[in-house]
Amino acid sequence: DIQMTQSPSSLSASVGDRVTITCRASQNINNYLNWYHQTPGKVPDLLIYAASTVQSGVSSGFSGSGSGTDFTLTISSLQPEHFGTYYCQQTYSTPLTFGGGTKVEI
Amino acid sequence: EVHLVESGGGVVRPGGSLRLSCVASGFTFDDYGMAWVRQGPGKGLEWVCGIHGDGDATAYADSVRGRFTISRDNAKNSLYMQMNSLTAEDTALYYCAKSTGRSCTYYGVDVWGPGTTVTVSS
Repeated sequence: DIQMTQSPSSLSASVGDRVTITCRASQNINNYLNWYHQTPGKVPDLLIYAASTVQSGVSSGFSGSGSGTDFTLTISSLQPEHFGTYYCQQTYSTPLTFGGGTKVEI
Repeated sequence: EVHLVESGGGVVRPGGSLRLSCVASGFTFDDYGMAWVRQGPGKGLEWVCGIHGDGDATAYADSVRGRFTISRDNAKNSLYMQMNSLTAEDTALYYCAKSTGRSCTYYGVDVWGPGTTVTVSS
């Protein structure tokens, strides 16, 4: 199975900060990497798919990059609604796997 | 509007069984792969299993393979998961989720139901 490792596991930042979260796959997954955002008590939202394509309806402040085994999610200017937990997910091969999550506190 | 609604959760003893259901609306059901994703109390997301749009291909997490079975009835716009030999580690909120493509691989999930809670306890 492909293991997904996110870092950091948590971070604290201020409104307006640029935030970067990384995700590393245990083997090459090409660009089959998605990012989700979940706030407490809510279902996850798909932010980015195929490593760098922003899902329709998602704010322009999110961007993704990477290919192979190393990926990043960047929030260009952190806003209060961005708090919560971010998860990466590989969809290259089954079983599909999520990273452990990065909790963003503001 | 696209909707997914799960049902069938509850409290079950270790070793017991449950069948979860998910009814979909607002999209052409058999055009999309579907999945079950769970989240234990205070824990992260765990992909449990997935099924292709035509129902001919399925996949499972190692933790549930051989105990859980995913299926779908495209005529009823419904997704199911039979859960057998349940253990405390299966206690979680179970989400029904729609893939962005016909396969349950390669694509993310863009629509989630509100979830149904499964508690395994003696």
